[in-house]
Amino acid sequence: EVQLVESGGGLVQPGGSLRLSCAASGFTFSSYWMSWVRQGPGKGLEWVAIIKPDGSEKYYVDSVKGRFTISRDNAKNSLYVQMNSLRAEDTAMYYCATGGRDPYWGQGTLVTVSS
Amino acid sequence: DVVMTQSPLSLPVSLGQPASISCRCSQSLVDSDGNTYLNWFQQRPGQSPRRLIYKVSNRDSGVPDRFSGSGAGTDFTLEISRVEAEDVGVYYCMQATHWPHTFGQGTKLEIK
Repeated sequence: EVQLVESGGGLVQPGGSLRLSCAASGFTFSSYWMSWVRQGPGKGLEWVAIIKPDGSEKYYVDSVKGRFTISRDNAKNSLYVQMNSLRAEDTAMYYCATGGRDPYWGQGTLVTVSS
Repeated sequence: DVVMTQSPLSLPVSLGQPASISCRCSQSLVDSDGNTYLNWFQQRPGQSPRRLIYKVSNRDSGVPDRFSGSGAGTDFTLEISRVEAEDVGVYYCMQATHWPHTFGQGTKLEIK
């Protein structure tokens, strides 16, 4: 059974940092593009970042460029995102997912940016 | 960025009746490999999104055959042949041809 389990969410002050993790199992993690997708409270979905299977290519949506860094450890079947300089508008449920051309999603971890 | 425009945004449907959602894109979704990476997702209340349809018309494993996708180029449609109570939720089209991948605004399906 495919599982993507996110962790690391929580309450952080504006300007603060947070690192999210995603533990993958049930599929060959090292063969898949992996992503972070977010959904603001009561809002739609936004694809935040994506990383190639070997980690050699990474792409970000403009709103997080220079602040978020996506990474992966294929030996640990894990995906990460380091989020710096957080803003109120980054408040969202963050989902770990395979690339846009594959079907797997986690249950999400909630990030709240507030003073 | 590719803009995905869905209609309607609210869709009240009686049980057993058909439903249709349109998705129009601001540019062609045909990739250089010849594929069109247009997906449809369902998000039930309190759940994470679930992909229903990939590459325009292919149903994911476990998706009932009452769901079907069609379209080409920049115009796509998700159809539900007979709506059931478990279909309540928000439906999103999403393109994975261009970066950043983008979603439509979502269509909220409710039972009339």
